[in-house]
Amino acid sequence: GAVVSQHPSRVICKSGTSVKIECRSLDFQATTMFWYRQFPKQSLMLMATSNEGSKATYEQGVEKDKFLINHASLTLSTLTVTSAHPEDSSFYICSASLMGSYEQYFGPGTRLTVT
Amino acid sequence: LAKTTQPISMDSYEGQEVNITCSHNNIATNDYITWYQQFPSQGPRFIIQGYKTKVTNEVASLFIPADRKSSTLSLPRVSLSDTAVYYCLVGDWGTGRRALTFGSGTRLQVQP
Repeated sequence: GAVVSQHPSRVICKSGTSVKIECRSLDFQATTMFWYRQFPKQSLMLMATSNEGSKATYEQGVEKDKFLINHASLTLSTLTVTSAHPEDSSFYICSASLMGSYEQYFGPGTRLTVT
Repeated sequence: LAKTTQPISMDSYEGQEVNITCSHNNIATNDYITWYQQFPSQGPRFIIQGYKTKVTNEVASLFIPADRKSSTLSLPRVSLSDTAVYYCLVGDWGTGRRALTFGSGTRLQVQP
């Protein structure tokens, strides 16, 4: 089946630094990938939709200058958390789907801790 | 996208059948009903999807009445490893370009 990977799985960074999270579709091409954020004991919240070769579409309340998304190829999307603060500590999850498919495939998630 | 309502939590014992019902009164004609499972610190995992009547796969069954305003996920003979959060989602994702909108989910706790 379709596999989505994320790297790193866990990262700890200091406040004020930037962190890049990679999302890869390993055995299929994804023209669209999605980034979600999940706080403890809460549901997934969509942050942005990443389209290959174009600018990402951000959900209301998500700062595009803080959460930089790049979708340079059909198999890779990256999320960069710039000038991270402790409140950015969360579980970040990406997903992708095959064109014409109803099923979305999720990555294993990245646990970000900002100290 | 149709809003969904599901119980916040459910408790069960090993070996029992668990039925989780989701209501989606505003489901649209083109919408499908999909259920995902999520374990702590993992991404959601697809369980089952359906449009109407009944769908069954190796892990679950999905029952959808004729009016499609609700659906029931049935997990036969649950085990401790089925302890997870289960999300019901409704939408038309045929193009693969639309994000999933997650509700609060149902936290299932299976006890020995």
